[in-house]
Amino acid sequence: EAQVTQNPRYLITVTGKKLTVTCSQNMNHEYMSWYRQDPGLGLRQIYYSMNVEVTDKGDVPEGYKVSRKEKRNFPLILESPSPNQTSLYFCASSLLAGGKNEQFFGPGTRLTVL
Amino acid sequence: KQEVTQIPAALSVPEGENLVLNCSFTDSAIYNLQWFRQDPGKGLTSLLLIQSSQREQTSGRLNASLDKSSGRSTLYIAASQPGDSATYLCAVTPWRTSYDKVIFGPGTSLSVIP
Repeated sequence: EAQVTQNPRYLITVTGKKLTVTCSQNMNHEYMSWYRQDPGLGLRQIYYSMNVEVTDKGDVPEGYKVSRKEKRNFPLILESPSPNQTSLYFCASSLLAGGKNEQFFGPGTRLTVL
Repeated sequence: KQEVTQIPAALSVPEGENLVLNCSFTDSAIYNLQWFRQDPGKGLTSLLLIQSSQREQTSGRLNASLDKSSGRSTLYIAASQPGDSATYLCAVTPWRTSYDKVIFGPGTSLSVIP
């Protein structure tokens, strides 16, 4: 089944404790992206990747890191999480650049930073 | 800067009613526009993608129209069902060389009452 998977689905952590949210797609898509969704602010892009070893900042990259060592995986890293990073995070992928094709979204990761 | 808005923020209708959701964008220079559905606790599902050269797209009971000159798109849902209850988001891809960004609206929360 074609899908985007994220792990974990739910995470509660404390300020400053490094964490990684994994994202994987099985559709051989070139483009992958991370979004956060907050009430009243909608979906905002954090980072995106056009292909392996190619990443770039979105609208709200501060406090996040990403890597794209393999085509299928695009982990989101929070080196020192803070309470303002409490949010619902979505990973997405598409065949080509983000807006050219239908985007497929993962189920979301709800992160709480205490 | 491209901004996307959606009105109304929430809508409640009786089952069987036809309804229209609205999406507005400030810059008419777009590559395409997508409509997504988001169920509580789940990721986004792409419903329809309209290229800038198209006027509308149809899928089953859904019909999306695009009027670039006025910066508007509508999603028409015929014969609404309780299973249509969800949040509907529109997103535009600004016209530029990389097409790497997708800008989302805040969404319309739809409730279809049996």
